[in-house]
Amino acid sequence: NAGVTQTPKFQVLKTGQSMTLQCAQDMNHNSMYWYRQDPGMGLRLIYYSASEGTTDKGEVPNGYNVSRLNKREFSLRLESAAPSQTSVYFCASSAYRQLNQPQHFGDGTRLSIL
Amino acid sequence: QKEVEQDPGPLSVPEGAIVSLNCTYSNSAFQYFMWYRQYSRKGPELLMYTYSSGNKEDGRFTAQVDKSSKYISLFIRDSQPSDSATYLCAMSAGEGGSNYKLTFGKGTLLTVNP
Repeated sequence: NAGVTQTPKFQVLKTGQSMTLQCAQDMNHNSMYWYRQDPGMGLRLIYYSASEGTTDKGEVPNGYNVSRLNKREFSLRLESAAPSQTSVYFCASSAYRQLNQPQHFGDGTRLSIL
Repeated sequence: QKEVEQDPGPLSVPEGAIVSLNCTYSNSAFQYFMWYRQYSRKGPELLMYTYSSGNKEDGRFTAQVDKSSKYISLFIRDSQPSDSATYLCAMSAGEGGSNYKLTFGKGTLLTVNP
């Protein structure tokens, strides 16, 4: 039972490089989310997709883009990576479209920007 | 005042102790409350989900919500070394607007010593 799968688990980039983080869920959930987690800052919402075909900005969307490829997959793209984007990125999904519903998380991608 | 306040700890207790973890919040519109457990280098996993005020029990875990005081608690009875993790509170308002999203506390690091 995989749940939410994120790839890669670790990545090191140089400033200015681009990268796409992949996320897939096998729970037939409608909604998917991307968060970043930084020490002392907690979890912050970057983008979300309430349902297939829709995406919306969260709390900290600058420097990121997303694609809801199909119901299972939601990717996060850094077009020109900056050191401030060094973080742990979590993808999550929930069964219902409302953002206040319980969310199920992947194990994260640890990203370092040099 | 931050929307959600959570003492980061660290909190260290002996095995078998009763643990109390707490969050306070300022947004009176919050009515959905959750507790997540996050092991080191893993994603958060949902522990408890409650709506409005009152208590909810699940095995050794009890969640309490006091909306009049804007205060939520998670109690762990007969704590075990396997309970050692970071505990995150999360909450959300009901319908519409930016209150829709989950707002997370920064987490409390708990260590249960054998």
